[in-house]
Amino acid sequence: KAGVTQTPRYLIKTRGQQVTLSCSPISGHRSVSWYQQTPGQGLQFLFEYFSETQRNKGNFPGRFSGRQFSNSRSEMNVSTLELGDSALYLCASSLERAEGQYFGPGTRLTVT
Amino acid sequence: QKEVEQNSGPLSVPEGAIASLNCTYSDRVSQSFFWYRQYSGKSPELIMSIYSNGDKEDGRFTAQLNKASQYVSLLIRDSQPSDSATYLCAAGDGTASKLTFGTGTRLQVTL
Repeated sequence: KAGVTQTPRYLIKTRGQQVTLSCSPISGHRSVSWYQQTPGQGLQFLFEYFSETQRNKGNFPGRFSGRQFSNSRSEMNVSTLELGDSALYLCASSLERAEGQYFGPGTRLTVT
Repeated sequence: QKEVEQNSGPLSVPEGAIASLNCTYSDRVSQSFFWYRQYSGKSPELIMSIYSNGDKEDGRFTAQLNKASQYVSLLIRDSQPSDSATYLCAAGDGTASKLTFGTGTRLQVTL
């Protein structure tokens, strides 16, 4: 089976802009979670989608949003980018009755 | 605040030795626990999951869970230089759709 894919792999944006990241889960996986990884804070949960519904949400401001499509692909959007949003954004997919989440390669976002 | 605590290391072990990585968690309702390996510049890779008290073995890896002590550990037998990485401990709820990660322990396996 193909793994989780994420696009783009690298992004450079300017403060104040918005960005959309995309994630395609492993075939058959209906749950998609998003995480932010930074050297200072480690891996932090953003949100999780299952069957096009947000099922869990982390402690991030409303500038961070996401959605899931009927084919389980997911996107996350960050509006009004801040310098502190520079991070590795990781998407992970899993089966409903989880036996673990499988991560994609991530999108490295740099905000200048 | 749900927390997962790990010693940041580095933990240095000689090749062929047993590496022991530890993790504690604060949320008593956590039901699922995972160990991930992350090489520098790469994304986390799932290596073990454990849900019940006791030991779970998979090849050179053994995960141990003690819910009464809120303690999870990972043993790596016959450590190899290729095991040198950061090991992340994660705790989840029943669906494990939302994981809380520790900050990771850096393991160095020396020749």
